[in-house]
Amino acid sequence: AQTVTQSQPEMSVQEAETVTLSCTYDTSESNYYLFWYKQPPSRQMILVIRQEAYKQQNATENRFSVNFQKAAKSFSLKISDSQLGDTAMYFCAFMKTNTGNQFYFGTGTSLTVIP
Amino acid sequence: DAGVIQSPRHEVTEMGQEVTLRCKPISGHNSLFWYRQTMMRGLELLIYFNNNVPIDDSGMPEDRFSAKMPNASFSTLKIQPSEPRDSAVYFCASSTHMTGKETQYFGPGTRLLVL
Repeated sequence: AQTVTQSQPEMSVQEAETVTLSCTYDTSESNYYLFWYKQPPSRQMILVIRQEAYKQQNATENRFSVNFQKAAKSFSLKISDSQLGDTAMYFCAFMKTNTGNQFYFGTGTSLTVIP
Repeated sequence: DAGVIQSPRHEVTEMGQEVTLRCKPISGHNSLFWYRQTMMRGLELLIYFNNNVPIDDSGMPEDRFSAKMPNASFSTLKIQPSEPRDSAVYFCASSTHMTGKETQYFGPGTRLLVL
């Protein structure tokens, strides 16, 4: 079975600072995908970033980047220059390949950006 | 692209009534997922379809819940009879199996309140 663990239920960061959200996962698969989703107060689930396990290069999307450590099964999200609009719940998700794209979600980290 | 469309966006009903939630996936996507989100249980996968066929319904809480996907552009989640504990946000998501594009895209959700 696949499990995804987000050990930080809540975090806060000062506006313009950098924050890192942690995610670990457990799998015996060698090829898979990892994702971070953002859920603001509107409850919309928004894809933030996507990483393919066979790619060693860490994915980046503007102020968002990941630190993917395959051997350690770790997938942390770094948010640089935090903005008030980054206040949201962040979910880490794992997907095996060839399984119909079923996701396994972590329990989420609630991030508050403080002005 | 209109994204995943869900209706209604909000539903308030009384215990014992039938509730039908609707979802239109992104055109060309061949997987569809129904999730339920509550404070107590977080984000739960209820059921998912591949090419309109239900693949895994182990997350459906009980016989009061049923889901159908009569064609590639429409799915329903029905609760009959509804109970107060069914109050939650219900999300529909879709994805494609195209290599390199396996990502789930979420609809805005339906907020259900059962009185």
